[in-house]
Amino acid sequence: DQQVKQNSPSLSVQEGRISILNCDYTNSMFDYFLWYKKYPAEGPTFLISISSIKDKNEDGRFTVFLNKSAKHLSLHIVPSQPGDSAVYFCAAPGGNTPLVFGKGTRLSVIA
Amino acid sequence: DSGVTQTPKHLITATGQRVTLRCSPRSGDLSVYWYQQSLDQGLQFLIQYYNGEERAKGNILERFSAQQFPDLHSELNLSSLELGDSALYFCASSVVSVNTEAFFGQGTRLTVV
Repeated sequence: DQQVKQNSPSLSVQEGRISILNCDYTNSMFDYFLWYKKYPAEGPTFLISISSIKDKNEDGRFTVFLNKSAKHLSLHIVPSQPGDSAVYFCAAPGGNTPLVFGKGTRLSVIA
Repeated sequence: DSGVTQTPKHLITATGQRVTLRCSPRSGDLSVYWYQQSLDQGLQFLIQYYNGEERAKGNILERFSAQQFPDLHSELNLSSLELGDSALYFCASSVVSVNTEAFFGQGTRLTVV
């Protein structure tokens, strides 16, 4: 049973536009969420996190929104740049599992 | 550079063999995690150690084992290897063991032939 779901395997966005990556979770006990970015042949890199006491967290071009009632979070990248092309993973610490990851969304930013 | 070092970067071995993957965590991090990423799959949690003790266990096969040594480096042992064990194996570390970001190494790509 997947507790963290990223239903879009891929997303293409024009350079300069907004990228919106979505993530849904099933476990209402999750209270902390993270986004990781992964380039080919590299390990995942921590990008941004949000605690369930907030509904928004911003860091430069990256903003994460959390909708607890819908068990949904999203990562917004504005403006998108070609260097943002990577696989993005949503993750949450869950019970006996330190970090439960979604399957990832591959973002392609087209120049 | 995350500060987490994994060796080797690549490993090719035959079915039935045994291999050891090594991880050195970031300086000061007490927690070490092992994850497996197979083709088109997300990151599957295998096992976590905290300050030398096993803290959490995920979908780790009985043929796999791990340990964390007094100097906090960790090793993941994979035995009786099967073709399906071919994957990227990532090690991550963090200061504490819950509700915190983990920092990942570059991974070991294991190919079983």
